[in-house]
Amino acid sequence: QVQLQESGPGLVKPSETLSLTCTVSGGSISNYFWSWIRQSPGKGLEWIGYIYYSGSTNSNPSLKSRVSISVDTSKNQFSLRLSSVTAADTAVYYCARYTPMTLGNFDFWGQGTLVTVSS
Amino acid sequence: DIQMTQSPSSLSASVGDRVTIACRASQSITSNLNWYQQKPGKAPNLLIYGASSLQSGVPPRFSGSGSGTDFTLTISSLQPEDFASYYCQQNYDTPWTFGQGTKVEIK
Repeated sequence: QVQLQESGPGLVKPSETLSLTCTVSGGSISNYFWSWIRQSPGKGLEWIGYIYYSGSTNSNPSLKSRVSISVDTSKNQFSLRLSSVTAADTAVYYCARYTPMTLGNFDFWGQGTLVTVSS
Repeated sequence: DIQMTQSPSSLSASVGDRVTIACRASQSITSNLNWYQQKPGKAPNLLIYGASSLQSGVPPRFSGSGSGTDFTLTISSLQPEDFASYYCQQNYDTPWTFGQGTKVEIK
């Protein structure tokens, strides 16, 4: 069974960079897309972006200029960096596996990690 | 961006009731529609993919239908463990987008 686990600081100061890592266990990171999704009371579920195991990426235009997603296949990990954060970036951040088979869906998720942006 | 609109935003129902949740896309998304269940403090869990296919391990009381712009999630006989929030999500085009959610509460 594939498992995902987010890790990173739970508190980030405004204007700084949010950094999270997702560790994948129970399966290979190869041949799948790996996504970041966040959930805040004000905006519901919002897809942030994905990275393919080969390194190609795609991100939400609403965040594109601030988002960087990277992958380390040797560690079975992928990471999110979101720059210039504000209070609006306070949310629960999830990592998830996107399987392109069967028309595509998020079939495995991490438990989520709350990130609060505050000074 | 493709907008996903769910209705109702919340509903109250009793154990054993048949429950239907609607999801409408702002443009045709063919069958590229997934449904997720989320319980408080937990991550969303995939129920239905490709508009009507049941994810492995999901009870058959859950079903999905629709194509194009209009979709439906049906719970044939509501069970106590089904009280949760439900979200539709399109993956027809990026940015992938979610509906705002439907909260199913106990009557």
